[in-house]
Amino acid sequence: EPEVTQTPSHQVTQMGQEVILRCVPISNHLYFYWYRQILGQKVEFLVSFYNNEISEKSEIFDDQFSVERPDGSNFTLKIRSTKLEDSAMYFCASSRDSGMGEQYFGPGTRLTVT
Amino acid sequence: AQKITQTQPGMFVQEKEAVTLDCTYDTSDPSYGLFWYKQPSSGEMIFLIYQGSYDQQNATEGRYSLNFQKARKSANLVISASQLGDSAMYFCAMREGRSARQLTFGSGTQLTVLP
Repeated sequence: EPEVTQTPSHQVTQMGQEVILRCVPISNHLYFYWYRQILGQKVEFLVSFYNNEISEKSEIFDDQFSVERPDGSNFTLKIRSTKLEDSAMYFCASSRDSGMGEQYFGPGTRLTVT
Repeated sequence: AQKITQTQPGMFVQEKEAVTLDCTYDTSDPSYGLFWYKQPSSGEMIFLIYQGSYDQQNATEGRYSLNFQKARKSANLVISASQLGDSAMYFCAMREGRSARQLTFGSGTQLTVLP
């Protein structure tokens, strides 16, 4: 069964460093998303992406964040200058052509900023 | 106001029994979707079931069913014949509007299935 994959599973970085989190969405899906979950808290929406552009973003998704689909399969989230409060689990998700139904999540990347 | 409210931080159920996890939502948009996800201790988010606001019948997927009461703005998840592997955190989520696709999640319910 096709699934969303994410790499790395765990990333440790120092404050101020740039990180890139990678995702491979399900191949026939057209809508892509990033969410984050700070330890012990609810899942929060960051951004959605369709047709090579951002379609929605939350207040969390400020200028420090960017997303890109560099090729036909990968979808990346870049944090330019990490802060301690960026430590969280980051989930990539994708959904089918209408984007209105279920979103399938990847296993997540745990980001630890020290 | 919270968009999604899950009032049960923790629930216990005996193996093989049914359990209901509560979820209420708040929206003024007539078009919305409701989702339930399972998060085991390993951390991944597993999609369980979806209900659209215009769907006439309650959604069912195997042992999962969604008790959708539109007038009360509730979308409770019912798990029948609980199994030990059902022990996990369960999140209710909502998508609002015809064009929006972002999901808003509740705070979750930790379900423990007892042998």
